[in-house]
Amino acid sequence: NAGVTQTPKFQVLKTGQSMTLQCAQDMNHNSMYWYRQDPGMGLRLIYYSASEGTTDKGEVPNGYNVSRLNKREFSLRLESAAPSQTSVYFCASSRAGVSYNEQFFGPGTRLTVL
Amino acid sequence: TQLLEQSPQFLSIQEGENLTVYCNSSSVFSSLQWYRQEPGEGPVLLVTVVTGGEVKKLKRLTFQFGDARKDSSLHITAAQPGDTGLYLCAGAPGNEKLTFGTGTRLTIIP
Repeated sequence: NAGVTQTPKFQVLKTGQSMTLQCAQDMNHNSMYWYRQDPGMGLRLIYYSASEGTTDKGEVPNGYNVSRLNKREFSLRLESAAPSQTSVYFCASSRAGVSYNEQFFGPGTRLTVL
Repeated sequence: TQLLEQSPQFLSIQEGENLTVYCNSSSVFSSLQWYRQEPGEGPVLLVTVVTGGEVKKLKRLTFQFGDARKDSSLHITAAQPGDTGLYLCAGAPGNEKLTFGTGTRLTIIP
């Protein structure tokens, strides 16, 4: 099993460009999450999906959109990238409702917006 | 937004020493988790504590959940270079979203 996979691993964008970050999990988890990690600020939740077909905003949703394509896949889209979106993005999944919401993380996407 | 503050933010000690890092909040959590993150990778779950006063041991790592379920500590005995990493605590107020702490970056010097 691969666990949680993310693509791409690295990306450089110019201000105003758009891109989609892809995430897939093979653990049959119901819930999926997108976080961003910035120095000194820990992990902040952008959006999450408690189950297939549902999505909800997290702490820092502005400038992002998400799609829960099916149970396995959860994508994050930046429609018009800004330098403030330079960060490391992590996707995570959990069974939710079981095991106290323990989350499993992907390896991250390192995004730089110039 | 429920906040989790971790201290110290940075810690650098010699191999073989003991250390404790702390995770504090003014909010009550139904459970609390500790993750370790190595450079270039995502966080990996170490332990979940769910009962006030609970103590869990993972080899040389000892985790404790405060009696009031608002704080937690991680104690490492005889630290080794392999313990180097970013340690994150995360609290679950219920059964969905986690709130992550700001992290403690630990460096063990051989």
